[in-house]
Amino acid sequence: QKEVEQNSGPLSVPEGAIASLNCTYSDRGSQSFFWYRQYSGKSPELIMFIYSNGDKEDGRFTAQLNKASQYVSLLIRDSQPSDSATYLCAVRVSGGYNKLIFGAGTRLAVHP
Amino acid sequence: GAVVSQHPSRVICKSGTSVKIECRSLDFQATTMFWYRQFPKQSLMLMATSNEGSKATYEQGVEKDKFLINHASLTLSTLTVTSAHPEDSSFYICSARETSLVTQYFGPGTRLLVL
Repeated sequence: QKEVEQNSGPLSVPEGAIASLNCTYSDRGSQSFFWYRQYSGKSPELIMFIYSNGDKEDGRFTAQLNKASQYVSLLIRDSQPSDSATYLCAVRVSGGYNKLIFGAGTRLAVHP
Repeated sequence: GAVVSQHPSRVICKSGTSVKIECRSLDFQATTMFWYRQFPKQSLMLMATSNEGSKATYEQGVEKDKFLINHASLTLSTLTVTSAHPEDSSFYICSARETSLVTQYFGPGTRLLVL
């Protein structure tokens, strides 16, 4: 059973701080990793994806991937109250159709 | 950016009726679309993978005769919940993958309430 694990939270950070969200996965053959943000009652929206080991930055967001440790993280710099949402880690399953396996999500609360 | 629409956004129906949900990719062609279900405070659960012109692939535990999927064109997939019951009440979300890419883009979801 291929799994994606995330701490459910809530992760509470003050406004302006760095929020660090973590994710581990079990399928060593996975090559593509995605972070989605989901506001309550809404569908997920893509934040960013990462394929290679190391860091990938996009604005206030940085994704980090370590395939040897089967670990992917998302850093949010200068956190804002509008960042308060559930963050879903998704891993593309090796094999056909490019299925994604989602973690349960980490709820982030940014307080003023 | 890639836009995926779903219709209807919300539906209330009586137990025993069937409900059809449409998923459209508006500005790209999607060979593959995915159907998810999400219960309150739970994560997304993949129900099935829909491929244009072929039969859908269902995840373990999902009844293919209850959740009928049709992917008739590169921009449209439909999910029909047949003989809906209150336990089918959920948030149904589709996603579409652009033919040459890996990334999935989600539709806004359909909230189904079966009375």
